[in-house]
Amino acid sequence: GNSVTQMEGPVTLSEEAFLTINCTYTATGYPSLFWYVQYPGEGLQLLLKATKADDKGSNKGFEATYRKETTSFHLEKGSVQVSDSAVYFCALDDPGYSSASKIIFGSGTRLSIRP
Amino acid sequence: GAVVSQHPSRVICKSGTSVKIECRSLDFQATTMFWYRQFPKQSLMLMATSNEGSKATYEQGVEKDKFLINHASLTLSTLTVTSAHPEDSSFYICSASEQNTEAFFGQGTRLTVV
Repeated sequence: GNSVTQMEGPVTLSEEAFLTINCTYTATGYPSLFWYVQYPGEGLQLLLKATKADDKGSNKGFEATYRKETTSFHLEKGSVQVSDSAVYFCALDDPGYSSASKIIFGSGTRLSIRP
Repeated sequence: GAVVSQHPSRVICKSGTSVKIECRSLDFQATTMFWYRQFPKQSLMLMATSNEGSKATYEQGVEKDKFLINHASLTLSTLTVTSAHPEDSSFYICSASEQNTEAFFGQGTRLTVV
């Protein structure tokens, strides 16, 4: 079945460091890919998305490129801030689902940024 | 983006009682709503999918008699945890979608059963 695998955390970085969180997926068809962020004590927020191969999603300095050949959607940011500390979820929508937007999530990666 | 409001954000209840969680789409018609639960330090697991006016479809391993889902209107779905026990303590979150478009998530409800 469809699934998402992302790197385990926690990831701890110093402020202004470069961030990569790896994500790979398995899917039949052509899913859309997402990164969601969950700040402490809050619900999920969509961070960015890409709907087809070679698309790049970007938001708040974060980027991820939909790589069909490697089935990957790695999240990157050139210079992280303390306020980026959160849990990040890679996800895809199930293209075989008859209705809308069944989202399949990865296990989440907790990111902590040191001042 | 569209707004999905979930209420309450936190609830503490006694073991054996029932708790109702509401999920509302504020500015669009949610033809489909999804309910997830998240255990500490784990990912979100889909519990069930509800389409307006139809019975919910539950994922394997989710007890439909324990987690009652009602999607009576295009803007409201409710999840009732019946006869709650401490092991039901979790973070419950809903998402709503209008006709094959992007799903938007509520803020989540942290349930603690004591």
